[in-house]
Amino acid sequence: EVQLVESGGGVVQPGGSLRLSCAASGFTFDDYAMHWVRQAPGKGLEWVSLISGDGGSTYYADSVKGRFTISRDNSKNSLYLQMNSLRTEDTALYYCAKDHPVGATGAIDYWGQGTLVTVSS
Amino acid sequence: QSVLTQPPSASGTPGQRVTISCSGSSSNIGSNTVNWYQQLPGTAPKLLIYSNNQRPSGVPDRFSGSKSGTSASLAISGLQSEDEADYYCAAWDDSLNGNVFGTGTKVTVL
Repeated sequence: EVQLVESGGGVVQPGGSLRLSCAASGFTFDDYAMHWVRQAPGKGLEWVSLISGDGGSTYYADSVKGRFTISRDNSKNSLYLQMNSLRTEDTALYYCAKDHPVGATGAIDYWGQGTLVTVSS
Repeated sequence: QSVLTQPPSASGTPGQRVTISCSGSSSNIGSNTVNWYQQLPGTAPKLLIYSNNQRPSGVPDRFSGSKSGTSASLAISGLQSEDEADYYCAAWDDSLNGNVFGTGTKVTVL
């Protein structure tokens, strides 16, 4: 059974940093690209970032480019999101998500339950 | 701001057919496949349709997807009370070099 468990969320002041983690199990982790997707309270879904299975390719939404860094440790079956220079508009539930086996479509077939990040003074 | 536009709401009575549209551009829907997600209240999204019209295992055949040009549609036939949820389209955008989600549609079963 595929499981994705996020951690690391919390309350941080504007301009601060936070590192999110996602522990994956139930599939061959390094075979799949992984995503971060976020959802502000009461709002829609916003894709944040994607990393390839080997970690060699990364992609970012314009809203986080230059501030967020996605990475993975395949030896630990773990995905990360380093978030710097946080803004109030980054407040959201952050989902870790697995790329669909069909590949190259951006489809996401499994989602974690999310970790809440609140940026507030 | 999303680059894929959906109607904010749709509704129907049990048993009816409901269709949700998703409008994009040549850099996303026009050149890549479309995926659809269902998000029940208080839960994580669930993949409903991938590659325009493919259903993952376990998704009822009441749900179907289609794509034409720079637009896509999700149809729910035989609407049921448990279909009350938010629905999002998504596609890769070659100009943004990233995934984009639609604005979302809330489906209400009357």
